[in-house]
Amino acid sequence: GDSVTQTEGLVTLTEGLPVMLNCTYQTIYSNPFLFWYVQHLNESPRLLLKSFTDNKRTEHQGFHATLHKSSSSFHLQKSSAQLSDSALYYCALSDANSGTYQRFGTGTKLQVVP
Amino acid sequence: EAAVTQSPRNKVAVTGGKVTLSCNQTNNHNNMYWYRQDTGHGLRLIHYSYGAGSTEKGDIPDGYKASRPSQENFSLILELATPSQTSVYFCASGTGGAGDTQYFGPGTRLLVL
Repeated sequence: GDSVTQTEGLVTLTEGLPVMLNCTYQTIYSNPFLFWYVQHLNESPRLLLKSFTDNKRTEHQGFHATLHKSSSSFHLQKSSAQLSDSALYYCALSDANSGTYQRFGTGTKLQVVP
Repeated sequence: EAAVTQSPRNKVAVTGGKVTLSCNQTNNHNNMYWYRQDTGHGLRLIHYSYGAGSTEKGDIPDGYKASRPSQENFSLILELATPSQTSVYFCASGTGGAGDTQYFGPGTRLLVL
């Protein structure tokens, strides 16, 4: 079946260093739709960015991700981490053709320290 | 932005008891979802709905029922609560279709003793 893999449960970074959170997926869909959601402490998840276009960079609020169908990846990146980026990040997958429900990964907690 | 509310926000239940979690959305979204969030498992879909009168099973439906009596309301029902159902439950809504952004409610913390 379809699945999303986020290998890092916890990533701890010093403020100012680059961020990269990994997301890979397995799917039968020919046109996967990938999402990143962010959940700050004591809040609910909210969409950060999304894409279904192969090899096109998508950006929002300083974060960016590129869908690479060849490697089934959609890694989240940011050039310089801020303390306020500390949160739980979820990668999710659905089908761009049929709009099936989104399947979420297990999440990566990003902890940015001074 | 979509407004999704959940009640209760916190609930303590006894094993074997019945628990009903309620969700209301005011943006006229067709689709609604119930997830549970557990450390190490992330967000897992329990039930979802395409509109009033519709309920569908998600990835982990066992032990849960759902009800969508109207466009605005979607309930999750635990007929016989068990300690393994202790979790944080999120309701979400969305327009449906490809690239659907889901809007989440504030969550309900459920403790089953």
